[in-house]
Amino acid sequence: EIVLTQSPATLSLSPGERATLSCRASQSVSSALAWYQQKPGQAPRVLLYGASNRATGIPARFSGRGSGTDFTLTISSLEPEDFAVYYCHQRSTWPLTFGGGTKVEI
Amino acid sequence: QLQLQESGPGLVKPSETLSLTCTVSGGSISSSSYSWVWIRQPPGKGLEWIGNMYYSGSTNYNPSLESRVAISVDTSKTQFSLKLTSVTAADTAVYYCARREHVTWSFDNWGQGILVTVSS
Repeated sequence: EIVLTQSPATLSLSPGERATLSCRASQSVSSALAWYQQKPGQAPRVLLYGASNRATGIPARFSGRGSGTDFTLTISSLEPEDFAVYYCHQRSTWPLTFGGGTKVEI
Repeated sequence: QLQLQESGPGLVKPSETLSLTCTVSGGSISSSSYSWVWIRQPPGKGLEWIGNMYYSGSTNYNPSLESRVAISVDTSKTQFSLKLTSVTAADTAVYYCARREHVTWSFDNWGQGILVTVSS
């Protein structure tokens, strides 16, 4: 199975700062990578699909790039509601897998 | 507006079968544009895909669970179900049902999740 490694595990930032999250795949997933945001006590919600395409209703401050094995999620200027856990997810190969998550904390 | 809601027992004994149902409202479950998915999350840990079912009835399962898992759909009731046999404490998790959309291939709608604890 494809293992997704996210770094850092925790990112401590302040509102208004830029957040850069990394996801590395153990083998190429082409651009078949998505990012999800999860807040405490809530289900995840999709932010980006196809590595760089924002899902419906997702603000422009969220952006993604990458292909193959290395991917980045960038939040250009953190809003208070952005402090959460972020997961990358690959759909290139069965079984579908998720990364271990990056917690963005204040 | 599509809504998904998990239901089932919150406590299951070791070696028994975990059975959950996801009720879909506000939309059709009978469409080739979507598949229906179960994902779980042990307390304080990350997400694990369990499996999914297509409208055709075909399924994909996580190999780590495949020998113990079954997903089925009841289109007349707009529900789909998860059965996981021979559970152990390692199966304690929040179980989510979700819809996978076939254009973006993302999980675009989720239930709120249900905590299932495996304990005697």
